Amino acid sequence: DGGITQSPKYLFRKEGQNVTLSCEQNLNHDAMYWYRQDPGQGLRLIYYSQIVNDFQKGDIAEGYSVSREKKESFPLTVTSAQKNPTAFYLCASSNQGSNYGYTFGSGTRLTVV
Amino acid sequence: KQEVTQIPAALSVPEGENLVLNCSFTDSAIYNLQWFRQDPGKGLTSLLLIQSSQREQTSGRLNASLDKSSGRSTLYIAASQPGDSATYLCAGVSIKAAGNKLTFGGGTRVLVKP
Repeated sequence: DGGITQSPKYLFRKEGQNVTLSCEQNLNHDAMYWYRQDPGQGLRLIYYSQIVNDFQKGDIAEGYSVSREKKESFPLTVTSAQKNPTAFYLCASSNQGSNYGYTFGSGTRLTVV
Repeated sequence: KQEVTQIPAALSVPEGENLVLNCSFTDSAIYNLQWFRQDPGKGLTSLLLIQSSQREQTSGRLNASLDKSSGRSTLYIAASQPGDSATYLCAGVSIKAAGNKLTFGGGTRVLVKP
């Protein structure tokens, strides 16, 4: 079955540590996205990529980095510069055009310990 | 900049009652509007996608309408069941936004009481 796989499901980060969240899709979608979800704040866009080897900042990119070396993969690194990383992170993919919707992964919950 | 609003933020109904969830958006120049369901601690499940040229979409007990002129979309869930309890999110893709970015409303948390 086609879909998006996010791993790990739960992740714990110590202060000052960088951690990387994995996102893989087998839908052959061109575009991929990372969103952050906090209670009471809805979903906010961190980074997105429309094509391999290219990506753009979203609304809250500070403290995060991404790469898009393969069409199927769009990993997100939460760096030590991100002061409040505890949140639920969602990866999504889509193709261009009005008849294409977004498909989301099951999410990664990151907690600072 | 596109803004999406969902009112009410929470809704509680008895089982069997029809649900009406509202979504409003400020920029009528949208490619499409999508309704999602989210269960606690889970990802988003797509329910319905309405393209800008369409006025409604239906899937089983679900029906979503789109009125671009008034900037509104409504999700109807007929004969609600306790399993329909979840948070429902609407999101739109603006034609003017680079990257086909999706803008989300804050969601409506629904509780269907047995």
